[in-house]
Amino acid sequence: DIQMTQSPPSLSASVGDRVTITCRASQNIKTFLNWYQQKPGKGPELLVYGASSLHSGVPSRFSGGGSGTDFTLTISSLQPEDFATYYCQQSYTLRTFGQGTKVEIK
Amino acid sequence: EVQLVQSGAEVKKPGESLKISCKGSGYSFSTFWIGWVRQVPGKGLEWMGIIYPGDSDTRYSPSFQGQVTVSADKSSSTAYLQWSSLEASDTAVYYCARRGGTYSSGYDFDYWGQGTLVTVSP
Repeated sequence: DIQMTQSPPSLSASVGDRVTITCRASQNIKTFLNWYQQKPGKGPELLVYGASSLHSGVPSRFSGGGSGTDFTLTISSLQPEDFATYYCQQSYTLRTFGQGTKVEIK
Repeated sequence: EVQLVQSGAEVKKPGESLKISCKGSGYSFSTFWIGWVRQVPGKGLEWMGIIYPGDSDTRYSPSFQGQVTVSADKSSSTAYLQWSSLEASDTAVYYCARRGGTYSSGYDFDYWGQGTLVTVSP
């Protein structure tokens, strides 16, 4: 099984801050890495696919990067609607989600 | 408009069987993979399995292989997740999701159902 490890598990930040979440795969997954946002009581929403491609309609303040085993999701200027939990997910072999990173208001 | 509409919440007792559904509309149901994801209350997302409705090709997470069965009926554009004998630990919200692209594109679950809460309690 491919394991996905996200860090940090949670973070507190203010509106306007730059935020970076990291995700590490237990083996090389090339760029088969997706990021999802989930708000309380809602289903997940696709943000980034193929490690760095923004899903349609996703604001440009979101960006993804990395390849191989190390990946990042960056929010360049945190907005009130961005407070949520973020999950990475590999699609190289079957699927595995990271444990999630909860972004909270400082 | 692409939609995945899931069946309603269920309350079951341990040992009972259950089949929940996910009906797709607004796209060619047979030609897109449908996956299932579990979320225990207050916990993270767990990928369970995926099916291609066109030929019922199915893959399972090792963690869920043998514990659940994924199926699909392309004539009714509906995917299913079923249990033969529920346990309390199966209490969770279950989501279906459409894989929107090909494997090589890496474009994965772009549309999600609203979730089905399954509660298993004596």
